[in-house]
Amino acid sequence: NAGVTQTPKFQVLKTGQSMTLQCAQDMNHEYMSWYRQDPGMGLRLIHYSVGAGITDQGEVPNGYNVSRSTTEDFPLRLLSAAPSQTSVYFCASSRRWSQYNSPLHFGNGTRLTVT
Amino acid sequence: GESVGLHLPTLSVQEGDNSIINCAYSNSASDYFIWYKQESGKGPQFIIDIRSNMDKRQGQRVTVLLNKTVKHLSLQIAATQPGDSAVYFCAENVGGGSNYKLTFGKGTLLTVNP
Repeated sequence: NAGVTQTPKFQVLKTGQSMTLQCAQDMNHEYMSWYRQDPGMGLRLIHYSVGAGITDQGEVPNGYNVSRSTTEDFPLRLLSAAPSQTSVYFCASSRRWSQYNSPLHFGNGTRLTVT
Repeated sequence: GESVGLHLPTLSVQEGDNSIINCAYSNSASDYFIWYKQESGKGPQFIIDIRSNMDKRQGQRVTVLLNKTVKHLSLQIAATQPGDSAVYFCAENVGGGSNYKLTFGKGTLLTVNP
């Protein structure tokens, strides 16, 4: 299994541009989520999905959209990039949404810079 | 403020020594705790977890201790190796064990000197 695959690894955007960060998992995991990681702060949850067709907002959802049309894929869309969205983005999945005996598996991240 | 934090932002140890990474939490309702390891340029990797009905749990070379009286969590790594150099995060869960209810700490950087 490849696990959780994120593309691209690096991206530079200008303010106002839009883009989609891709996330795919091949473990048939029910739960998928997006986090951002900023210096001096813990991981913060952006959006999550407990199954195909179901998404919900996390702690910092503004400026981001998600969809979950298949079990495998969970893309994150930046509608109009802002410098405050400069961050490292991690996609994570788990077998179930319940945490017990179902730890999160993380991708290797996308480093996004917005100028 | 942060409900999950770390006493030491950096820790430097000699290869072969034991390492102890500490974490304080403030929410007495937290019932599940997890430690993650993050190597440079990679995503966090699950190490070990513990439920609040336990005081101690052991894995391969790692032990997690939970002291609910003082709301303190620690990760002990035995015979630390250069490959253990990474940032270590603790995370806590409040309310039902859902993965979307996790709160992550800021992390401690562990450096292992050969």
